[in-house]
Amino acid sequence: EADIYQTPRYLVIGTGKKITLECSQTMGHDKMYWYQQDPGMELHLIHYSYGVNSTEKGDLSSESTVSRIRTEHFPLTLESARPSHTSQYLCASSFPDSQGGYTFGSGTRLTVV
Amino acid sequence: GQQLNQSPQSMFIQEGEDVSMNCTSSSIFNTWLWYKQDPGEGPVLLIALYKAGELTSNGRLTAQFGITRKDSFLNISASIPSDVGIYFCAGQLGSNYQLIWGAGTKLIIKP
Repeated sequence: EADIYQTPRYLVIGTGKKITLECSQTMGHDKMYWYQQDPGMELHLIHYSYGVNSTEKGDLSSESTVSRIRTEHFPLTLESARPSHTSQYLCASSFPDSQGGYTFGSGTRLTVV
Repeated sequence: GQQLNQSPQSMFIQEGEDVSMNCTSSSIFNTWLWYKQDPGEGPVLLIALYKAGELTSNGRLTAQFGITRKDSFLNISASIPSDVGIYFCAGQLGSNYQLIWGAGTKLIIKP
């Protein structure tokens, strides 16, 4: 049973649109992460947060932004979507010391046309 | 940045065969994790390892934390069709560090 939820699962939008990908977790995890992954490829960290009001950029440069106003919620926003943003976006969370690893959501498959 | 070398990149096997994959690094890790990702889903944790030399099983899966702390191995015995997917290793340098991910091993079972 998933304790971390991502919506929508699939999204097809036009170029230039603003979108927000939602991620919520019910485990009380302090740390949350956003990864970008092309099909069958490796995971690239684009944003992470250590807690409320904490956000950091990851290893992969991204034009998206994130916010962390509540512990359980970590949305990702693209102000102006482009075809190059087409990918799968995975949200994850963990305890502060990452014991037990990260728990992932099911992902949002984004297609920008 | 830090990198993990995961191999093989992909494997084509017959149902019933045993599978082995590994990850190596030039850095010493204090945690090794193995995940499986099914198509269209997020990765799911299979096995977590916290001590050098540790050998842990989860059903038909067995993983080991290398003695040097720079590598880890995952074995799957008697593979079945539902084992198909991508297996990722991940290592952690310390409790305050993020996970470092391997590039994945794609497991395909020949019909």
